[in-house]
This record gives sequence, C-alpha cells and structure tokens, in this order.
Amino acid sequence: DSGVTQTPKHLITATGQRVTLRCSPRSGDLSVYWYQQSLDQGLQFLIQYYNGEERAKGNILERFSAQQFPDLHSELNLSSLELGDSALYFCASSVGELLNSPLHFGNGTRLTVT
Amino acid sequence: QQQVKQSPQSLIVQKGGISIINCAYENTAFDYFPWYQQFPGKGPALLIAIRPDVSEKKEGRFTISFNKSAKQFSLHIMDSQPGDSATYFCAATFGNEKLTFGTGTRLTIIP
Repeated sequence: DSGVTQTPKHLITATGQRVTLRCSPRSGDLSVYWYQQSLDQGLQFLIQYYNGEERAKGNILERFSAQQFPDLHSELNLSSLELGDSALYFCASSVGELLNSPLHFGNGTRLTVT
Repeated sequence: QQQVKQSPQSLIVQKGGISIINCAYENTAFDYFPWYQQFPGKGPALLIAIRPDVSEKKEGRFTISFNKSAKQFSLHIMDSQPGDSATYFCAATFGNEKLTFGTGTRLTIIP
C-alpha cells in the first residue's frame, strides 16, 4: 500500500459533464502530482502542487484544473468532458518539490465518459 | 527529444527465464532512470532506479543495465516468477524536469 488514497475508484459520466477526482497524499508528503494514463499514450504528467502552490504544468487541458488544499489533499476537476477524456487518472505524492522525486502512486480513478 | 521509447509492448516468458525490457532515449541531459512496476488495478510503484555514473545496478532478481553511449537502458528480471507478471514502465528525467515515461511493457510469466 503506497499510502496515497484516491476516490472514487470508478466514475461513469456523460459527455459535457464535470467531475471531481480526489487525492489524499501519503502522510508527510507535500507534493501531489496528477497523471493521466491511457492505453495509447502511457502515463502523461498533468500538474504538480507543492504545499498548496502550483509548481509545474504538463499536458493539462484548459478544461481541467486542480488545486491543493491546506490539509494537502488535492482535487482534479475535469469539465466539458469528451469521450477522449476516458482514462485512468493517477495521483502521486512525494516528500520534496522536485519533479524527479520518487513518486508514490495511488490506485487511480477510472473515468469513463459515455 | 523528451521521448523515451520502450520495447517490447508485451512479453511472455516462461517461469525461471530471463525477462528483458529495453528503453531508448534521445535527450542526453537525462540523468535519472527509474523503472516502475504496475499490477492490474494498482498504481505504478518504483522498482529500481539508476544514474548514469554506473553501468549496472542490481537489486535481488532485478537488474538495470545502462549504456550511455547508445542512450539505452534495460531491465532484466532473472528467474522470472508468475508474481512478476505486471506492466513495467521505464522513465527518465534530469534536473527538476518531470519524469518522462515509456509506453509500458506488459509482462506475462507462464508456468
């Protein structure tokens, strides 16, 4: 068990809708990362937060946003959903703020957009 | 230049055999090469990592071989076991850059 908790495990929604994915990092970790995993594109980095502040952005669409709260949990908001947004969304955490810190991944949220 | 190319996409190995997964990169600035292991329904977990100052790193049955001149690195799993069946991702990074992951190799160990 990595110590990173993601909810919900599964999410099925319709195109055009908005969803929120939640992540609680490992105790003591200050950085939270969001990754998207699809069959054809592997693991794509979306965004990183460190101690409540955005630190780095990757291939995150404008329809997507995230935040990290004072208790260090993070939420990824996906809006105006499209079929192509169907994927596994992983949250990871690390102690430090460096992007290349060893990552501890949660078990992911499987999003299906119909 | 940020790509990491991983092969094969899938691999079937008999129990007790050697599993070999290869990765190649373009960016010569990369200086940290981790491998992640992912079981079905779980997130990836760090398995082993290497920096280019050594050509090989071994942890139990898992070995990373690194060839700086060829810009390639590989994961060898000795005495492969059914419990090693998983998807393996190589990755690379440098400085404070994000990890760039390979596309993954689905490994199946058959009895």
